[in-house]
Amino acid sequence: DTEVTQTPKHLVMGMTNKKSLKCEQHMGHRAMYWYKQKAKKPPELMFVYSYEKLSINESVPSRFSPECPNSSLLNLHLHALQPEDSALYLCASSRLGASKNIQYFGAGTRLSVL
Amino acid sequence: AQTVTQSQPEMSVQEAETVTLSCTYDTSESNYYLFWYKQPPSRQMILVIRQEAYKQQNATENRFSVNFQKAAKSFSLKISDSQLGDTAMYFCALANDYKLSFGAGTTVTVRA
Repeated sequence: DTEVTQTPKHLVMGMTNKKSLKCEQHMGHRAMYWYKQKAKKPPELMFVYSYEKLSINESVPSRFSPECPNSSLLNLHLHALQPEDSALYLCASSRLGASKNIQYFGAGTRLSVL
Repeated sequence: AQTVTQSQPEMSVQEAETVTLSCTYDTSESNYYLFWYKQPPSRQMILVIRQEAYKQQNATENRFSVNFQKAAKSFSLKISDSQLGDTAMYFCALANDYKLSFGAGTTVTVRA
């Protein structure tokens, strides 16, 4: 099973709302990732968790708050977003460390900020 | 710093024919891994093929094969016997520990 599950598939929110994106994997991977992807562009790395600890934050604004409650779950909490934050948000997971490790992606959450 | 360049924004191919996507990269690492990912309109990014830099033999996965030229830092993807389901955006990527550096992508359209 190489499945990474993301919910919801679509999300529309206002600039004053608080919402969360959820990502789940059961492959025993101890590295999990959040990416942001604009239309027709490659994914941009936002955060990396390894062993449930935040290891990389690519200078993401604080209105995005990641959380890794356990080794299978990854959340992205959203608050006071801007219209330019509208994008596809992808979650991925992999085994730890080495460059050889394949990242497996979820289908993403399409976020629209009004 | 590492960079990945895909110089073909769009390509079109007739069903059952062959198409080749180009990718060049730059890295100071001596050992690294290269990937081709496919992203259909359904959005999910799917691994197509992986190449280990220290292996001279080109990777092959069914109808997908790569031409890896380490000295030239080139990593092209060949899709043989193209099928309608191959229609997607294809990203070349270079791995450095946790980070994947992606190229800009090539949109491939397979015509019936």
